[in-house]
Amino acid sequence: AQSVTQLDSQVPVFEEAPVELRCNYSSSVSVYLFWYVQYPNQGLQLLLKYLSGSTLVKGINGFEAEFNKSQTSFHLRKPSVHISDTAEYFCAVSERNAGNMLTFGGGTRLMVKP
Amino acid sequence: GAVVSQHPSWVICKSGTSVKIECRSLDFQATTMFWYRQFPKQSLMLMATSNEGSKATYEQGVEKDKFLINHASLTLSTLTVTSAHPEDSSFYICSARDPSASYEQYFGPGTRLTVT
Repeated sequence: AQSVTQLDSQVPVFEEAPVELRCNYSSSVSVYLFWYVQYPNQGLQLLLKYLSGSTLVKGINGFEAEFNKSQTSFHLRKPSVHISDTAEYFCAVSERNAGNMLTFGGGTRLMVKP
Repeated sequence: GAVVSQHPSWVICKSGTSVKIECRSLDFQATTMFWYRQFPKQSLMLMATSNEGSKATYEQGVEKDKFLINHASLTLSTLTVTSAHPEDSSFYICSARDPSASYEQYFGPGTRLTVT
């Protein structure tokens, strides 16, 4: 069975500062990895995904993430955050050939302060 | 990209009544849809997997008689919360699998259910 751990429940950061949201996963097979963003009272929007190939993945809104197989991590980064990036961020994993079942981490609330 | 809608976006009902939530894939046919539940400040928990034309597969601990799922067409799945109680109040989110890229799910905007 797969599991996802987001180490920080909240990350406060000042506007224009860099940020990293951490995600570690556990699985016995190869996985697909995803980061989603959720704004208040809304559904999930896909930020980026890792399927295969280059371990550095670029997504929307200036976010990127790096897949590290040896450390089973998929940390999300942005070099300079904006107030509008304040939201909940979810890391998710899906085992290949497992019916596309997503397992979500607990979420990290990014709070960007002026 | 693919669009998934939910209706209603929010609903208030009295305890003991039933509520139906619709999930539609607007520009693609989804043979598989998923229903999630999200409590405040918590992550999404998968409730069930809905397959068109067959019975839904429920996750452990989810009461199938309370949360009725119907996937009658390739673009519509419904979740009916029967005999709702205040503890059923939650944010319900559906997603649909992209048939051309089976690893991808598209999420609806969610439905806020409040049971009084």
